[in-house]
Amino acid sequence: KAGVTQTPRYLIKTRGQQVTLSCSPISGHRSVSWYQQTPGQGLQFLFEYFSETQRNKGNFPGRFSGRQFSNSRSEMNVSTLELGDSALYLCASSLEAFRREEQYFGPGTRLTVT
Amino acid sequence: KNEVEQSPQNLTAQEGEFITINCSYSVGISALHWLQQHPGGGIVSLFMLSSGKKKHGRLIATINIQEKHSSLHITASHPRDSAVYICAVNRGGATNKLIFGTGTLLAVQP
Repeated sequence: KAGVTQTPRYLIKTRGQQVTLSCSPISGHRSVSWYQQTPGQGLQFLFEYFSETQRNKGNFPGRFSGRQFSNSRSEMNVSTLELGDSALYLCASSLEAFRREEQYFGPGTRLTVT
Repeated sequence: KNEVEQSPQNLTAQEGEFITINCSYSVGISALHWLQQHPGGGIVSLFMLSSGKKKHGRLIATINIQEKHSSLHITASHPRDSAVYICAVNRGGATNKLIFGTGTLLAVQP
């Protein structure tokens, strides 16, 4: 079974631009979570989606948004990029969201904002 | 104070040594995860625990719910074990949201 895939793997953007990152979960998984990893803050939770609904959101400004499609693929969008948004963005998929589940992480998208 | 604390932050060991990484948490949890992250970013889930002990190859994870503490042990360490080891917890409820520790950077020297 294919693992979690994320595209693109690397991205360089300029301050003020917007960016869309994509995550395809493992086939059959319906829950997708997004995380941001920076050297200063470590790993932080961004959002969680299940059946096209956002179930949970982390403490991030409204510039960070996301969505999930009917095939469980998920996208996250960051508008008006700031230098501090430079980070590794990871998504993780799991079967369900109603009980504790093992999460399977993608390789991440490394975003650099200049 | 972080809800999930790990120690040590950095650890250097000689090949073959027995290694222990500790994780303490201050909140109620439904599960605790041990994750491994190699240079380049990819994260692999090693264990998910809600009680007791799990073993996979040379890796052993234990959790003491009453003391809010978990340990990850690596027996007969090898240079390929060099990575960042991250402890993360589920707070419970209908969510997979994880709260992470700051990680332990392990270097195993040949």
